Amino acid sequence: AIQMTQSPSSLSASVGDRVTITCRASQGIRNDLGWYQQKPGKAPKLLIYAASSLQSGVPSRFSGSGSGTDFTLTISSLQPEDFATYYCLQDYNYPHTFGQGTKLEIK
Amino acid sequence: EVQLVQSGAEVKKPGESLRISCKGSGYSFTSYWISWVRQMPGKGLEWMGRIDPSDSYTNYSPSFQGHVTISADKSISTAYLQWSSLKASDTAMYYCARRGYSYENWGQGTLVTVSS
Repeated sequence: AIQMTQSPSSLSASVGDRVTITCRASQGIRNDLGWYQQKPGKAPKLLIYAASSLQSGVPSRFSGSGSGTDFTLTISSLQPEDFATYYCLQDYNYPHTFGQGTKLEIK
Repeated sequence: EVQLVQSGAEVKKPGESLRISCKGSGYSFTSYWISWVRQMPGKGLEWMGRIDPSDSYTNYSPSFQGHVTISADKSISTAYLQWSSLKASDTAMYYCARRGYSYENWGQGTLVTVSS
């Protein structure tokens, strides 16, 4: 199975900061990667699909980039509602696999 | 509006069987694969497996193969996740998700608690 290594595992930042989360795949996955946001007690929410495509309704401060093995999620200017846990997911082949998650906390 | 509505929370004893459900509405149920995702308390997301509701073809993660069964009844637009013999370690929240571009729609989750 493809391993997804996500970093950092946790991150403290302030409102207005620019933050970047990375995911590295153990083998090439083209651009078959999504980014998800999860808030406590809620189901995950798709933010980015196909590595860089913004899901409908998601604010433009979220962006994704990368291809092959290295991917990034960037939040250009953190808002209070962005403090949550973020996961990457490869859907290149089965089994689909998630990164370990990045918990974004308020500094 | 696309919706995935999951069955309610369950409390079971070790060794018991269980089937939880995920009902799709607002779209053609047979046109999109459904996956199941586990989240153990305080932990991350784990992809368990998926089903193509049009023909019930399944793929499982090796971590879950043989311990759970994924099925679907397209006549009632419902996917299922079932266990024949629960363990305490199956205590978790379980989500179903519809795969479009990626997993763009999720159920609300079903909490399964297994305790003697």
